Amino acid sequence: DSGVTQTPKHLITATGQRVTLRCSPRSGDLSVYWYQQSLDQGLQFLIQYYNGEERAKGNILERFSAQQFPDLHSELNLSSLELGDSALYFCASSPLGGPFFEQYFGPGTRLTVT
Amino acid sequence: AQSVAQPEDQVNVAEGNPLTVKCTYSVSGNPYLFWYVQYPNRGLQFLLKYITGDNLVKGSYGFEAEFNKSQTSFHLKKPSALVSDSALYFCAVREGTNAGKSTFGDGTTLTVKP
Repeated sequence: DSGVTQTPKHLITATGQRVTLRCSPRSGDLSVYWYQQSLDQGLQFLIQYYNGEERAKGNILERFSAQQFPDLHSELNLSSLELGDSALYFCASSPLGGPFFEQYFGPGTRLTVT
Repeated sequence: AQSVAQPEDQVNVAEGNPLTVKCTYSVSGNPYLFWYVQYPNRGLQFLLKYITGDNLVKGSYGFEAEFNKSQTSFHLKKPSALVSDSALYFCAVREGTNAGKSTFGDGTTLTVKP
């Protein structure tokens, strides 16, 4: 158990809908990362937050947004969902935001868009 | 732009034999290199990292990796494979100048046969 929690574990929704994925980092970790894992794209970095502020952006679509709250939990919002958004979404955390810290991954949220 | 290549989709070894999972990288600055393992239906788990110093780094579960700057490689090794090592292995790179963004390889499936 990494100490990173993600809810829900599974989510099934229809095209065009909006969903929110939630992540609680390990106790004491200030940085949160979001990743998308799919068979055709592999593991893609979406976005990083550090202590409430956006730190780095990866291949995140404009339909997707995220935020980190004062209690350090984070939410990833996915809107106008398409079939291609079906994937496993991981949250990870690290103590600080620098490049030399390993990341601790949550168990993931499996999103299925029908 | 940073990139990671794992040239082998699959590696098969017999239990008790040494194993190597290959990784090469490309960055414009100093590389920070990581190996993670993913078991079915689980999040990624950190194995080891190279930040600076000794080119041979040791990590969890008896794994080690050798950083080779001239060949831009960071191969994962283990002297004696176990059936329980069977999993999906990811190499990742972060660059010192781009703190948040992690780039992961496509993963290598390691199968250890009894």
